[in-house]
Formats: sequence, structure tokens, C-alpha cells
Amino acid sequence: GAGVSQTPSNKVTEKGKYVELRCDPISGHTALYWYRQSLGQGPEFLIYFQGTGAADDSGLPNDRFFAVRPEGSVSTLKIQRTERGDSAVYLCASSILGGRINEQFFGPGTRLTVL
Amino acid sequence: KQEVTQIPAALSVPEGENLVLNCSFTDSAIYNLQWFRQDPGKGLTSLLLIQSSQREQTSGRLNASLDKSSGRSTLYIAASQPGDSATYLCAALDSSGSRLTFGEGTQLTVNP
Repeated sequence: GAGVSQTPSNKVTEKGKYVELRCDPISGHTALYWYRQSLGQGPEFLIYFQGTGAADDSGLPNDRFFAVRPEGSVSTLKIQRTERGDSAVYLCASSILGGRINEQFFGPGTRLTVL
Repeated sequence: KQEVTQIPAALSVPEGENLVLNCSFTDSAIYNLQWFRQDPGKGLTSLLLIQSSQREQTSGRLNASLDKSSGRSTLYIAASQPGDSATYLCAALDSSGSRLTFGEGTQLTVNP
């Protein structure tokens, strides 16, 4: 079956603009995660959804970042008033809770560049 | 707060060598530990997952071990090949089973 997909693959925007990043999880996966990976670093946790609700959003860096998953499937990460420091690769993952010990499967990421 | 460290940061070996990548974590209360591979400009590919109750997992030429009490995991790659060149990341899943904490990775180059 299809893996996790993310769109767009690349996004270039100007400082101060609003962006939306989309994640389509593996069909049937109940849990969805967002991570951010800066150049040369490992990914850092942002937020975790169980179904439609954010079970843990403690990794969101500030209130410019927000994520939704209204129907328990597709998720959108929203960044307001983008800053150059937001430039990174944003990774999405999904898993079956209670499945193979919560193994997370990752998408290819969205590379965000803020000019 | 969980911290994950990987040593070495970079490794270059000739083809055919066996090698070991190291990962250490500060909080032993983990749900599982995953090893990932990341090719340049790509996402993460899961290689091996070790449950907290397990000591090791094997897949082909890869073997990963876990010692929770000492906060260590190793990834052993046998008979390395140029196609193994990539960045290898280890990640510990917290005890609630939700948040992965990653190391910074080991960049492996296998020379023909």
C-alpha cells in the first residue's frame, strides 16, 4: 500500500508569510506525528495526534505554529508570520497505536525555505 | 528530558568491512528504540525496531542490540557495501509510546 505522503515537497516563502504543509498518513493509521529537521541535526518532535485530537503539542516552538487533523486522517501544519529560522525539513509520520509496538513510518518531508 | 547521542558523527570505511554504530540515551524508561536510514534529501527509512523487552533484532546484514540498563544501543553492519552509504539515526520512543527523540546521526561512507 501507499506510504505516508507530504505536499508540497518544497516550499519557498518570504519572511512574514503564512504557509500550510500537508500530510497524508498511511490508511488506517490512527496516530500522526510532525517532526522538524534542521540541517545536520536529527528530527525534533513537534506534535502528536491520536485520531482528531492533539494528544501532545509540547514540541511546537511557539504560537505561530498550529496543526489540525479534523477528520482523523489528513493533517495540516500551519505556520504564521514565518521567520528565517523556520527553514527546515518538516517530516510527518504515522503509526497504528497498539500495532507493531508503535513503529512510526515517515514521509519524504517538506523542505521549507523562508527567505 | 530524554537525550540521545550518536558516536561517531561520521565514519568512512572500505567496502567489505564490518562496522558498529553507537547510540546512547539518558532515560532508560523507553517504549522501544528504532534505527533509521536517511539518504540525502530523503525521508527516513525504518531499519530495525527493538522493543524495550528485547535485547536485539536482526535483518539481513544488520543487527541492532539494546541494553536499557546502561542506556545503549548498537547497530552492527556486516560486510558493508557502497550502497550502505547514508546517515543512520537512532531514536528512542518515550514510555507513553508517542514521542521519538532522535540522535544527530552517524554519516556513513563506504568506499568501493
